[in-house]
Amino acid sequence: DVKVTQSSRYLVKRTGEKVFLECVQDMDHENMFWYRQDPGLGLRLIYFSYDVKMKEKGDIPEGYSVSREKKERFSLILESASTNQTSMYLCASSLVSSYNSPLHFGNGTRLTVT
Amino acid sequence: DQQVKQNSPSLSVQEGRISILNCDYTNSMFDYFLWYKKYPAEGPTFLISISSIKDKNEDGRFTVFLNKSAKHLSLHIVPSQPGDSAVYFCAAGGGGNKLTFGTGTQLKVEL
Repeated sequence: DVKVTQSSRYLVKRTGEKVFLECVQDMDHENMFWYRQDPGLGLRLIYFSYDVKMKEKGDIPEGYSVSREKKERFSLILESASTNQTSMYLCASSLVSSYNSPLHFGNGTRLTVT
Repeated sequence: DQQVKQNSPSLSVQEGRISILNCDYTNSMFDYFLWYKKYPAEGPTFLISISSIKDKNEDGRFTVFLNKSAKHLSLHIVPSQPGDSAVYFCAAGGGGNKLTFGTGTQLKVEL
């Protein structure tokens, strides 16, 4: 079974802090993704990566950056956290991008920025 | 611009009856669709998918119907069970690596 592990379940950070969210998958998947989930807005894609050192912007990349130095690890970085980045962050991975290769999600990191 | 829409934020059904969750999309380039279920404090889990070359896919109690001309898909759960109570997201993909998700529908199955 695919396992996607997010390093923290809950985080509380102050405005202006640099925040790192870590994600590791154990199934040698090519694609990795970062989404945020907000009430009434569903899941919105922040960034994704289809290979080591490759990244592409999603729908809401502003205020975020990512790093993928190893195939199994995908990090989301908030350069200077702001209160509007308080959200549930979900990491996911997939082998390829097709209907028979669904995303596998981690359990999420609830980030609160005060 | 919301390319994938779930217009019902919530749905309540009785145990044993059918649950029908709806999803509309605007982008005709989407060529596959998926449904995910999400419990509180957990990540979404994959439920069922359908390719645009099909109009129906069935897996046990779950059936997804696709109407390409109407740009509409629906998820039928029958019979509904209390454990089905969760948020359901539809998602669409095609022409790239990313999925576009809807806003979700909270399903509550009552005893």
